[in-house]
Amino acid sequence: DIQMTQSPSSLSASVGDRVTITCRASQGISNHLVWYQQKPGKVPKLLIYDASTLQSGVPSRFSGSGSGTDFTLTISSLQPEDVATYYCQNYNSVPLTFGPGTKVDIK
Amino acid sequence: EVQLVESGGGLVQPGGSLRLSCAASGFSFFSDNYMHWVRQAPGKGLVWVSRMRSDGSTISYADSVKGRFTISRDNAKNTLYLQMNSLGAEDTAVYYCAKETYWSLEYWGQGTLVTVSS
Repeated sequence: DIQMTQSPSSLSASVGDRVTITCRASQGISNHLVWYQQKPGKVPKLLIYDASTLQSGVPSRFSGSGSGTDFTLTISSLQPEDVATYYCQNYNSVPLTFGPGTKVDIK
Repeated sequence: EVQLVESGGGLVQPGGSLRLSCAASGFSFFSDNYMHWVRQAPGKGLVWVSRMRSDGSTISYADSVKGRFTISRDNAKNTLYLQMNSLGAEDTAVYYCAKETYWSLEYWGQGTLVTVSS
């Protein structure tokens, strides 16, 4: 099975800061990497698929990059509404494992 | 508008069984698509559980539920199911059904809580 790791596990940043979250797969998954955002008490929301394709309606301050085993999610200018936990997911092969999540809050 | 509504959660004793349902609307449930179950234990992360293709040709499970859980669907009723047997405390979680769209889980239900406790 492919294991997914994320770093950091949590971060605190100021409004307007650039935030980067890293996701690593235990073996190559091409670009089959998905990012989700889960706000407290809410259902997960699709942000990015194919490692870098922004889901319709997602603000352009979110971006993704990477291929193979190393991926990043970047928020170019952190906003208060971005407080959430962010998960990456291997979508290359079953089991479709999620990363452990990165909790983002405002400093 | 795609809607997924889970039901069937509740309190069950260790070793017991439960069947979850996910009623789908707003899309052609019988068309070529995958439906998934994902769970989230209280205060923990997301865990993929199972998926099934619309024609039943492809079914997959996480190792942690293989042999205990069975995914199925009734295309005539636009409903996805998850039969859960031999439940343990580790299965306590909110269970979400989700619809796959192009290599991602685009639509999610609100979830149904399963609590395994004596």
